[in-house]
Amino acid sequence: QITLKESGPTLVKPTQTLTLTCTFSGVSLSTTGVGVGWIRQPPGKALEWLALIYWDDDKRYSPSLKSRVTITKDPSKNQVVLTMSNMDPVDTATYYCAHRVRDIASGIYYSAFDVWGQGTMVTVSS
Amino acid sequence: ENVLTQSPGTLSLSPGERATLSCRASQSVSSTYLAWYHQKPGQAPRLLIYGASSRATGIPDRFSGSGSGTDFTLTISRLEPEDFAVYYCQQYGSSPWTFGQGTKVEIK
Repeated sequence: QITLKESGPTLVKPTQTLTLTCTFSGVSLSTTGVGVGWIRQPPGKALEWLALIYWDDDKRYSPSLKSRVTITKDPSKNQVVLTMSNMDPVDTATYYCAHRVRDIASGIYYSAFDVWGQGTMVTVSS
Repeated sequence: ENVLTQSPGTLSLSPGERATLSCRASQSVSSTYLAWYHQKPGQAPRLLIYGASSRATGIPDRFSGSGSGTDFTLTISRLEPEDFAVYYCQQYGSSPWTFGQGTKVEIK
């Protein structure tokens, strides 16, 4: 069974850097095809994809946030870390990490997300 | 980026009725890399459909997905009480992956 859990500060000040950690179990980021993404959701609004890291350390970023966001992984700790610089009140949201789905029939991984963490609410305020 | 537009914004139906949700992309979604999720208040989204029509593990067969190119549909054949939620589509055919703005399925 795959599980993911986000951790990090619940409150950050404007201009500060946010660091969130996704700790997972039941899967290895060293396994071909595996990937973990970050998605956020402002209160009452839609989902927004932020970043994705693959087993081979390839990375993808949302263009609108690329200059502010970095995603890294530590397979030995089963963790993926998201950092976001220059935080602003508009970045107030629930931040989720999620696992890429593996099609059971073919064994191929796709970038839809089948297992999500519970989410962590981050408020940006002075 | 590939913008996804969902319609309607809100769908008011009764348990047992059929629900049809639409997701339209601004550009063709390559290889039908289109997923559907639902989300209940205070919970993380749950994957229902990927590859436009493949049900995720544990998803009942009253959920079905169809479509290709720019037009996709999620159908719930008979609404159960637990199906009233917000539904999102997501394309993962081209980076950046994008989500639609959501359709709320509410009890009439």
